[in-house]
Amino acid sequence: AQSVTQLGSHVSVSEGALVLLRCNYSSSVPPYLFWYVQYPNQGLQLLLKYTTGATLVKGINGFEAEFKKSETSFHLTKPSAHMSDAAEYFCAVTGGGNKLTFGTGTQLKVEL
Amino acid sequence: GAGVSQSPSNKVTEKGKDVELRCDPISGHTALYWYRQSLGQGLEFLIYFQGNSAPDKSGLPSDRFSAERTGGSVSTLTIQRTQQEDSAVYLCASSLVGGRAPDTQYFGPGTRLTVL
Repeated sequence: AQSVTQLGSHVSVSEGALVLLRCNYSSSVPPYLFWYVQYPNQGLQLLLKYTTGATLVKGINGFEAEFKKSETSFHLTKPSAHMSDAAEYFCAVTGGGNKLTFGTGTQLKVEL
Repeated sequence: GAGVSQSPSNKVTEKGKDVELRCDPISGHTALYWYRQSLGQGLEFLIYFQGNSAPDKSGLPSDRFSAERTGGSVSTLTIQRTQQEDSAVYLCASSLVGGRAPDTQYFGPGTRLTVL
């Protein structure tokens, strides 16, 4: 079985500041990990995913995440926040099948 | 190309009525998924179709929920005798292959269901 914990349901950053959204997972098998973004009244869009290989994964819009097995983490970062990054972000895990187990989401607010 | 489409975008119904939600996956995608997004439960997996295999129904919350996929393409999620707790956004996703490798799932915009 798999589960995901996203610490912080709401995160607020200033424009230009570092974005850090936390995700910790639990999995009984090697995990595959995903970050999705949801803009208001839209579906989910994949930002990046980790399957195997390089543990630092780069995604769209300047986001990246690092898979740390020892810490069971897959935190999402972006060096410099932009107003357009304001959205809800979901971390998800699957154990090799295709059912995604999602975290509860983190609402990112970007302030001037 | 065209993404995953869902209809209707919004549906308001009365408690006890049946509703049908439709999903058109990306052309050529063999796997199709339904998820539910609600305030109390977050994003939950409901059901998964892969080609001609029997669907994985392990996420359906009750026997009032059912889904079918005709001709390996369009899918319909049916909720019978709707209850207020069924109010949620129902998201459909599709992926190219499906199987052990975790393909990217592409999501539709969802159907917002409100049960009065």
